[in-house]
Amino acid sequence: GAVVSQHPSWVICKSGTSVKIECRSLDFQATTMFWYRQFPKQSLMLMATSNEGSKATYEQGVEKDKFLINHASLTLSTLTVTSAHPEDSSFYICSARPLDQYNEQFFGPGTRLTVL
Amino acid sequence: RKEVEQDPGPFNVPEGATVAFNCTYSNSASQSFFWYRQDCRKEPKLLMSVYSSGNEDGRFTAQLNRASQYISLLIRDSKLSDSATYLCVVTTTGTASKLTFGTGTRLQVTL
Repeated sequence: GAVVSQHPSWVICKSGTSVKIECRSLDFQATTMFWYRQFPKQSLMLMATSNEGSKATYEQGVEKDKFLINHASLTLSTLTVTSAHPEDSSFYICSARPLDQYNEQFFGPGTRLTVL
Repeated sequence: RKEVEQDPGPFNVPEGATVAFNCTYSNSASQSFFWYRQDCRKEPKLLMSVYSSGNEDGRFTAQLNRASQYISLLIRDSKLSDSATYLCVVTTTGTASKLTFGTGTRLQVTL
């Protein structure tokens, strides 16, 4: 149990395009999902906390108009990188927290974004 | 100062060796502590939670010292398959609890 999927697993796009990444909890419901970004040889950095049915909470320094988050159901959150640029190339990982667990998160396999 | 600090390594050890990783955290309000393992280009996976009383899971032993805000992970009888990056993670309690990751310590176990 507690499986989280991400789609796509990797994407290459041209500068200026928008990319949508999906995060799904497959066998549990999650009111809260988290989006992280990891640059090479660096740790995971939390970008935003996504709450079902409400606006996401963004971490300091993360542009909410550039990284659009939608959490329309208890099993799906999406991250859209708008007008992507090469500096947005990174490993994007989501995690989902089950409804009744405050400290446990289950991670998706990640999406590797390369912007040319 | 980073919220969670780790020695980035790499630690290169022979198979069968015992290796210890350390981690310090700056937020005294941190409540929960974990060690995660991350393989190259993969998502992090929970290795074990860390409790004040210390806990052991097979070859892995984790310790927490709240007074010193220090966490450790000991791996005994290292296996080749233990090669990975080990991430120290802390969180606060509550519905808005967020995981804060250290930069990780790279372990390479060799023959």
